[in-house]
Order: sequence, then structure tokens, then C-alpha cells
Amino acid sequence: QKEVEQNSGPLSVPEGAIASLNCTYSDRGSQSFFWYRQYSGKSPELIMSIYSNGDKEDGRFTAQLNKASQYVSLLIRDSQPSDSATYLCAVPDQAGTALIFGKGTTLSVSS
Amino acid sequence: DGGITQSPKYLFRKEGQNVTLSCEQNLNHDAMYWYRQDPGQGLRLIYYSQIVNDFQKGDIAEGYSVSREKKESFPLTVTSAQKNPTAFYLCASSIDPGHAGELFFGEGSRLTVL
Repeated sequence: QKEVEQNSGPLSVPEGAIASLNCTYSDRGSQSFFWYRQYSGKSPELIMSIYSNGDKEDGRFTAQLNKASQYVSLLIRDSQPSDSATYLCAVPDQAGTALIFGKGTTLSVSS
Repeated sequence: DGGITQSPKYLFRKEGQNVTLSCEQNLNHDAMYWYRQDPGQGLRLIYYSQIVNDFQKGDIAEGYSVSREKKESFPLTVTSAQKNPTAFYLCASSIDPGHAGELFFGEGSRLTVL
């Protein structure tokens, strides 16, 4: 069974700083990785996906993948209070038919 | 507007009762999923369905049942056999099974057992 590990936090950063969220995974064969954002009491929404080693940027968000070390990171530049949420890392299961989620890291951005 | 509708949003159940959570999507997606979330926990897969009239158990299927008679609908029944049913239940869909990472979620149903 694949596993996805995240530091539960909370991670606290001041407004304007860079927030770094990390995720490790157990299956070296995993090929795709997803970051979801979940506001308190709400449902998750997909914010980033990454499939190959290196960085993928989308606005203030950058996903970083290092397959050799089996970790994937999400960087949020110029953090805003509206970024305060729980960030869930996920990888497809062995069959690739459903996602396995980590427990999430809670980010708090203070103004 | 396309999306996923879950109902009810809040549900209270007495012990020993079965309850059914509704999930309807108008995104024309083939695959649908049910996840459960407990406080401070990630999402755990209950059941998923890749096509109509077919579904598979996830990691925590015991005490739950589903049906997929229509492409748009994937209701979840929480039976009395589920020992700790109090949780936040999330229904999701993806355009097809090959895009299982790109999930669209409903707003969730919060079940409390009294």
C-alpha cells in the first residue's frame, strides 16, 4: 500500500513570505503527484499537478518534484492570509484508479 | 453551471439507522468516488466507480454500500454496521479513470451519529 507523509503543522508564516510545504511518498514507481487546497469546513480543490522531475510554476505556486529522494514540495511565494488552509498531497494508487492522500499540512499566514 | 451536488449538507442519525448520502454530477464525468475525512486526517477512499453499473471497494468499504445505476448519480449508504460513521463525506468525480488525480469535489455531507 502506497503511503504519503506530510508534516501536519501548523506552519505559520508572515504575509509576503515564502511558505514551503513538503510531502514524501513510499512508492518509488509513482509517476504523478497532486496538491489540493482545503479551506476549513470546505471541500478540497486541485491547485497543482506535477509529473516530471524539476519545478512547475503556476502564478505564486511552484511544485517541485525529486523522484530520487521521493519527495514533492509546494512553494507559495508572497503568501497571503487567503492562502491559510490545509494543503493535501496525493498520489494515485497502485492501479492508478484513485488517489491516496496525505493527512495534510495546515498553513497559517498572518497579516 | 456544471458541478457536483451532495445532499444533505448536514445529517444526524441515531445509532442503528441506515442513511443514504446523495451525490449527483452534471459534468458528464465517467468516474466517481466517495471519500471520508475525519478531523485532522486526510481523505480515505470508501468506494469508487469507473463506469455505470460497476464499482470497487476502497480502503475502508466495510459498513458502506453504493450503487451506480446512472452516470450522473453515485449514492452512498452508511449502514448500521459502520462502527464510527461520524465524519465528513466527500463525493468526487474525474473525467475518466485515467484522470483520477484531477478530482472535482462536491461540498460534502457532514454526518453525526447521536
